[in-house]
Amino acid sequence: NAGVTQTPKFRVLKTGQSMTLLCAQDMNHEYMYWYRQDPGMGLRLIHYSVGEGTTAKGEVPDGYNVSRLKKQNFLLGLESAAPSQTSVYFCASRDWSGGVSVYNEQFFGPGTRLTVL
Amino acid sequence: SQQGEEDPQALSIQEGENATMNCSYKTSINNLQWYRQNSGRGLVHLILIRSNEREKHSGRLRVTLDTSKKSSSLLITASRAADTASYFCATVGNTPLVFGKGTRLSVIA
Repeated sequence: NAGVTQTPKFRVLKTGQSMTLLCAQDMNHEYMYWYRQDPGMGLRLIHYSVGEGTTAKGEVPDGYNVSRLKKQNFLLGLESAAPSQTSVYFCASRDWSGGVSVYNEQFFGPGTRLTVL
Repeated sequence: SQQGEEDPQALSIQEGENATMNCSYKTSINNLQWYRQNSGRGLVHLILIRSNEREKHSGRLRVTLDTSKKSSSLLITASRAADTASYFCATVGNTPLVFGKGTRLSVIA
């Protein structure tokens, strides 16, 4: 049981290049999330998905796109990378809680460190 | 915007001492969660406390929640060097988890 995995672990891009970050989970979780973490900051939500084929915007969605074609995978795309997108990106997943008022723990991947020059 | 705000931003203690971190938030919540992040790693869930609970224990961890003051505290008793990490509170309301900026805890052996 690998949990949540992220690919790649490190990446350096030039301004204007594009790339896709892959998140995979083997826990059959319904919900998946993409966060970014900048120095001295907590995690800020980029996009999330409440099930296969669905996506929604989080707090900082601009410059990113996502897709959830398969339940176990959640892809984060940068179409035209900018230096402001230099960050550590974390993916997370959680199980369906069975109710609006029940929100159980999230499981996080190890992160992808992205540098945009 | 980040709802949870941890205090202090950094804390340095000797091994064996207790460490207390506080979290304040702004709007009503369904529950509040604490996570730990070791340097260069992802976050790991520590404990969840629901809005109708006032105190919860898990091993050396004790979490309290005061919804009237919109605040929570995390107490780590008998700290160890391995407890050195950043600790984040995350609130759950009508939106997905919202994280604070964290408290960086250093436990000196």
